[in-house]
Amino acid sequence: DAKTTQPTSMDCAEGRAANLPCNHSTISGNEYVYWYRQIHSQGPQYIIHGLKNNETNEMASLIITEDRKSSTLILPHATLRDTAVYYCIVRGNTGGFKTIFGAGTRLFVKA
Amino acid sequence: SAVISQKPSRDICQRGTSLTIQCQVDSQVTMMFWYRQQPGQSLTLIATANQGSEATYESGFVIDKFPISRPNLTFSTLTVSNMSPEDSSIYLCSVDGGGTEAFFGQGTRLTVV
Repeated sequence: DAKTTQPTSMDCAEGRAANLPCNHSTISGNEYVYWYRQIHSQGPQYIIHGLKNNETNEMASLIITEDRKSSTLILPHATLRDTAVYYCIVRGNTGGFKTIFGAGTRLFVKA
Repeated sequence: SAVISQKPSRDICQRGTSLTIQCQVDSQVTMMFWYRQQPGQSLTLIATANQGSEATYESGFVIDKFPISRPNLTFSTLTVSNMSPEDSSIYLCSVDGGGTEAFFGQGTRLTVV
């Protein structure tokens, strides 16, 4: 049921921006793009979500293309603690929608 | 936001036995979800648990193997029945944030020997 495609893994130098891409070409009009991450041995952590406008919070920025078929999660200054698996998920935004995980991107932040 | 507590955090069990995992939420929620994460894999949804009705299972998961209870709006249990080594996984509880993000517990790491 996962409707997203992400690279399997990526590397990023500490202090640099990490740009994680996601393709969701079959996204429907009422579905949002969500990003979660899972640091080893922990439960998934919400990062950010958006519908069609770019979004920014204290953790990251989310850039969604105009056609909404792809998006990029940006961690502006990656640290070693950002090493994790990042999941891009599309789902509705009202109560009752299941969160279905794809394979995610394993991000390695290197010193 | 919602804070989720899962018990136990980890366990080692003998094959053929059953383990019940508890999930407690600090607020009332309509829907609770149970996931399995096999070693090195992503999360797979097992079932959705609504208070007052039977759980809805995803393809490949059955009630006899993974019975779920949802006695009230803040609590749920997942039982892994007649365990085999293939059931060794992390089991996670999740709740719907009521319109925004989902919240996850820290998981129960199960090893079946």
